[in-house]
Amino acid sequence: GAVVSQHPSRVICKSGTSVKIECRSLDFQATTMFWYRQFPKKSLMLMATSNEGSKATYEQGVEKDKFLINHASLTLSTLTVTSAHPEDSSFYICSAYPGLAAITPDEQFFGPGTRLTVL
Amino acid sequence: GNSVTQMEGPVTLSEEAFLTINCTYTATGYPSLFWYVQYPGEGLQLLLKATKADDKGSNKGFEATYRKETTSFHLEKGSVQVSDSAVYFCALIPLSGGYQKVTFGTGTKLQVIP
Repeated sequence: GAVVSQHPSRVICKSGTSVKIECRSLDFQATTMFWYRQFPKKSLMLMATSNEGSKATYEQGVEKDKFLINHASLTLSTLTVTSAHPEDSSFYICSAYPGLAAITPDEQFFGPGTRLTVL
Repeated sequence: GNSVTQMEGPVTLSEEAFLTINCTYTATGYPSLFWYVQYPGEGLQLLLKATKADDKGSNKGFEATYRKETTSFHLEKGSVQVSDSAVYFCALIPLSGGYQKVTFGTGTKLQVIP
């Protein structure tokens, strides 16, 4: 089956620093990747949609200058949390959509998530 | 807009008990419906799905039937195990020939005690 990886799985950083999270589709090309944020005991909130080679589309209320998304290739998207603060501590999950190569056009494949803790 | 409503948890059951987690949805047309499971400290895994009315998705003893008339996709399992303890998310994707944003429910935490 389709596999999506995220790196790192956990990261602890100091307030004011930037953190980069990678999302890779290991055995397929992902025309579109999504970034979600999960708050404790709550559901996943879609942050942005990332298409290869173009600018990401951010959801309302998500600061694009704070959460920088780059989708430089069909297998890699990165989320950079700039000038991180404790309130950015969360679980970040990406998902990848295979596009026309998908067996079913409606399915996305999720990464295992990255736990970010900002001290 | 689209929405998914799940029963609030946590749900605590004894091992081998019957499980039902209710899920209803609001969407135009015929969305695809999904159940995802999140084990402690991990990301989401697809548990099962159904893409049209009356379809039954099943996996690992879990089942859910796509009920268009009641706009529901309730998750059931006849005999739960301790290893089923996790958070379960109901979700939908509108079917439009391409990707669409996933709409998730708030998740239901299941705790199975020996």
